[in-house]
Amino acid sequence: KQEVTQIPAALSVPEGENLVLNCSFTDSAIYNLQWFRQDPGKGLTSLLLIQSSQREQTSGRLNASLDKSSGRSTLYIAASQPGDSATYLCAALNRREPQGGSEKLVFGKGTKLTVNP
Amino acid sequence: DTGVSQDPRHKITKRGQNVTFRCDPISEHNRLYWYRQTLGQGPEFLTYFQNEAQLEKSRLLSDRFSAERPKGSFSTLEIQRTEQGDSAMYLCASSPGRINQPQHFGDGTRLSIL
Repeated sequence: KQEVTQIPAALSVPEGENLVLNCSFTDSAIYNLQWFRQDPGKGLTSLLLIQSSQREQTSGRLNASLDKSSGRSTLYIAASQPGDSATYLCAALNRREPQGGSEKLVFGKGTKLTVNP
Repeated sequence: DTGVSQDPRHKITKRGQNVTFRCDPISEHNRLYWYRQTLGQGPEFLTYFQNEAQLEKSRLLSDRFSAERPKGSFSTLEIQRTEQGDSAMYLCASSPGRINQPQHFGDGTRLSIL
């Protein structure tokens, strides 16, 4: 059974700092690893999707890496801004189980990021 | 692309009542997912449709829960005889059906059971 863990649970940094959020998963049989952002009381916004054959993806100030062999992914945020304050969730899209079924997103509990002006 | 729409945004009801939520996916997305999220946790998978066919239900979904997607468009999630433990955010997501395309989430329906 896939388990996704995110460390730290919360992080507070001053504006302008570069930071790294960590995600680990127990089952490497995944299609992809996705990072989402969630603002309070809102749904999830997709940030980056890394396919299992890829090592990293970049979008603006965000860079996500994937190391399937060690079961780890990181989200790097450069030059953080107060508007980056949110909860960041990673999710692994598992391959189908042998007995069928859908490809499921399995989420971590998230890292709550606060960027202080 | 108008995004995934969920209605209502908030629902407060007494224990034992039935509730129904609606999700309108992005048009032409043939996959639709329901998740449940409690405070401080990540979303947990509940069920999944490909077009109008419900292909999987999580063991989290007791007999009191039922979901439909008639005609493969919008979907409804009904909870009968609500219990305190049903209080959560119910999230809907849709995707185009290709594996390496992200799921797009709505803003959810927050259910509070009194």
